[in-house]
Amino acid sequence: NAGVTQTPKFQVLKTGQSMTLQCAQDMNHNSMYWYRQDPGMGLRLIYYSASEGTTDKGEVPNGYNVSRLNKREFSLRLESAAPSQTSVYFCASSMTGRGNEKLFFGSGTQLSVL
Amino acid sequence: GESVGLHLPTLSVQEGDNSIINCAYSNSASDYFIWYKQESGKGPQFIIDIRSNMDKRQGQRVTVLLNKTVKHLSLQIAATQPGDSAVYFCAEKRRAQGGSEKLVFGKGMKLTVNP
Repeated sequence: NAGVTQTPKFQVLKTGQSMTLQCAQDMNHNSMYWYRQDPGMGLRLIYYSASEGTTDKGEVPNGYNVSRLNKREFSLRLESAAPSQTSVYFCASSMTGRGNEKLFFGSGTQLSVL
Repeated sequence: GESVGLHLPTLSVQEGDNSIINCAYSNSASDYFIWYKQESGKGPQFIIDIRSNMDKRQGQRVTVLLNKTVKHLSLQIAATQPGDSAVYFCAEKRRAQGGSEKLVFGKGMKLTVNP
């Protein structure tokens, strides 16, 4: 049972380039999330998808778009990367998405924007 | 504004000692709290959770205490081992606009266990 799988693990971009971070879960969870983690800032929610077919903004959505492709997959896209988007990105999933169920996290994507 | 935060940014303990990691929250309406452990290069892992109708919950070597009067949460680790070295996050269930609920994470605290 793989849990939450993220790709790639590492990525270096130049300012203005675009890329998509992929995430898939095999736990049949309804809800999926994208967080970014910066030193001293903790985990901040970028976007989430409470259920297949829905997406909503989190705390820091600017500069990002998401797609809930199906129940298993939730991708995060940077259309025009900026140095401020240098961070570690985590995908997570949960069963109900009501916030009272624990989140299961992927192993993260370390992104550097030069 | 409302926040979830940790009192201590770093904690160093000797192997075998008990560790206590503290967390303060400011939203008195929060009714669910959770602790995560994050090892270097990995994603956060669930440790233990507690609902506001409880003041104590125990797991394997870990205990979470909730004091709603002073809005304080703590994680106690018994007989700390080198494998417990990690960053620990507390998180609070917070109701967002529109009625949805999300977990809000604190900034994290690094625990170092010395052999």
